[in-house]
Amino acid sequence: AQSVTQLGSHVSVSEGALVLLRCNYSSSVPPYLFWYVQYPNQGLQLLLKYTTGATLVKGINGFEAEFKKSETSFHLTKPSAHMSDAAEYFCAVSERGDYKLSFGAGTTVTVRA
Amino acid sequence: EPEVTQTPSHQVTQMGQEVILRCVPISNHLYFYWYRQILGQKVEFLVSFYNNEISEKSEIFDDQFSVERPDGSNFTLKIRSTKLEDSAMYFCASSGGGPGGYTFGSGTRLTVV
Repeated sequence: AQSVTQLGSHVSVSEGALVLLRCNYSSSVPPYLFWYVQYPNQGLQLLLKYTTGATLVKGINGFEAEFKKSETSFHLTKPSAHMSDAAEYFCAVSERGDYKLSFGAGTTVTVRA
Repeated sequence: EPEVTQTPSHQVTQMGQEVILRCVPISNHLYFYWYRQILGQKVEFLVSFYNNEISEKSEIFDDQFSVERPDGSNFTLKIRSTKLEDSAMYFCASSGGGPGGYTFGSGTRLTVV
């Protein structure tokens, strides 16, 4: 069975500063890993995913994440925060052969002007 | 870009009443899902549906819940006798198969009073 832990339920950053959201997973088999973003009153939008191959994954809106098997981590970063990045971010995992997603508790990002 | 459409966006119902949440998945997708998010909690998997039958369901998905694809385009979630604890945001998703090919709808916020 798979599970996800997101460290920090709230992150506040200044505009232009680095955004770092932490995600650790557990999985009994090689996982697929995802980051989703949820803006207020909207659905879940896929930011990026890792399935196989290159461990540094680039997504939309300037975000990227690195799969580190030895650390069972998939942290999300963006070099320079923008006001429009204020949202809730979810890390999710699924096991190969099973497309069911298990989500973390989410991290709310606020961006200070 | 193709969308998953959910209706209604908000629904208020009295405890004990039946509700049907409706979803129109992306037309060429084959896998369909319902997830829910109780306020302040994780997004949780409810059920997956493929080839006109449930392929997997969580322990949350008890006998009060059912899903149906009545006409080849809609995908519905029925809660037979709603409880206060069913109050949540319900997300529909569809996938063409393969890892991370989900598209989520914007959700239906269900409030049971």
